Parts: sequence; C-alpha cells; structure tokens
Amino acid sequence: QVQLQESGPGLVKPSETLSLTCTVSRGSISSYYWSWIRQPPGKGLEWIGYIYYSGSTNYDPSLKSRVTISMDTSKRQFSLKLRSVTAADTAVYYCASVCSGSYFCYWGQGTLVTVSS
Amino acid sequence: EIVLTQSPGTLSLSPGERATLSCRANQTISSSSLVWYQQKPGQAPRLLIYGESRRATGVPDRFSGSGSGTDFTLTISRLEPEDFAVYYCQQYGSSRVFTFGPGTKVDIK
Repeated sequence: QVQLQESGPGLVKPSETLSLTCTVSRGSISSYYWSWIRQPPGKGLEWIGYIYYSGSTNYDPSLKSRVTISMDTSKRQFSLKLRSVTAADTAVYYCASVCSGSYFCYWGQGTLVTVSS
Repeated sequence: EIVLTQSPGTLSLSPGERATLSCRANQTISSSSLVWYQQKPGQAPRLLIYGESRRATGVPDRFSGSGSGTDFTLTISRLEPEDFAVYYCQQYGSSRVFTFGPGTKVDIK
C-alpha cells in the first residue's frame, strides 16, 4: 500500500513562495499520478494539481499562474511550489495518489501551512 | 466547468437511521467519474465509493453510491457512531480537472 508523507515549513510570509515535498514509500512511482490538494481551516477540499512520473502536469485553472509541481523519481518525491502567497493560501496541504486517473486513493496525513508575517 | 453541489449542508440523524446525501452536477457527468470521500476531524479524507459505485477496500457495505446524469446519492443504510463525519463528492472530467463538492456534515441528532 502506498504511503505518503508531506514535509515543509509550517509558516510562510506573505508574498513569498510556499514549498512542500511529498515522499512516497511503497508502491510504484510510475503507477499513479501524484497530486496536491488543500483545505483551508474549516472549509472544503480544493484540488491544486497533479504530476505524472513522465513529468506531465495539470493544474487547477484558478491557481495555474502561481503553481509548479515537480518530481524527483530517484528520491521518490514530488514537490509543490506556490508563489506570491497570501493569507488565503493558509490551509492544510495534502499529497495524494491518483488511481485510475480519476480519484484519490491514498492520502498523506496533511500539513498545515500558515501564511503570516 | 463542472460545479458540484451537495445537499443538505448538514444532516442531523441518530445512530441506526438511514442517511441520504445528494451530489448534483451542473452538467451531465459519467457515473464512473463520481467519487465519494469521508473525512473525520483532524484526518485526511478517506476514499469510500469510486468507479460506478464500487466500495473502496475496507468500506462497510452499509455505504452505497448510486445515480446518473447530474444527480448522485450516497446512502448509509444504518448509521454507526463512527459514520458521523463530513462527506465530499468529487468528479474528474474531460477537462482533466478535479472538482470537489462543498461537503455534507452528518452529525448526531
């Protein structure tokens, strides 16, 4: 069974870049798409984007101009960069695997990132 | 752009009762692309129902999904104490974008 673990700073200043990494243990890195999803405190889930091991990506249109997802297959990691953050980007950020190209079958535990000066 | 609406926002029921949760899309979607998750406080979402109403591994058979076109339903036949949570529907469309509904909270009456 795939296991996922997010890591990165829990506090980011406004206008700076939020950077998170997800480490994948178990499972084949080439068997899934790999995705980031976030959840503002007390609110619903918001898909950010995904990457395939080949490097192909797709992002939510509302975030596309600020987001980059990349992958390092040798380290079994994929990463999220979100530029020019504001308080509205404060959320729990989850990494997840995409099964059958259409649903999130395995999730990390999530990491809270707060945007504040 | 596909938008998912869930109703009701909150469902207050007692253990043993039947829960019926609705997810409506603003345009016709494939039933195989409509998915349901359960989320408990402080936890990541858990996959419940996927691909033509299949239950994920370990999901009790009191959970079932149905629907077609624009209207989909998650039914919990008899609520157990551990079922009180927030439920989200999600869709993946031809535009290669994932969309979540706003969620339905099932709480104890």
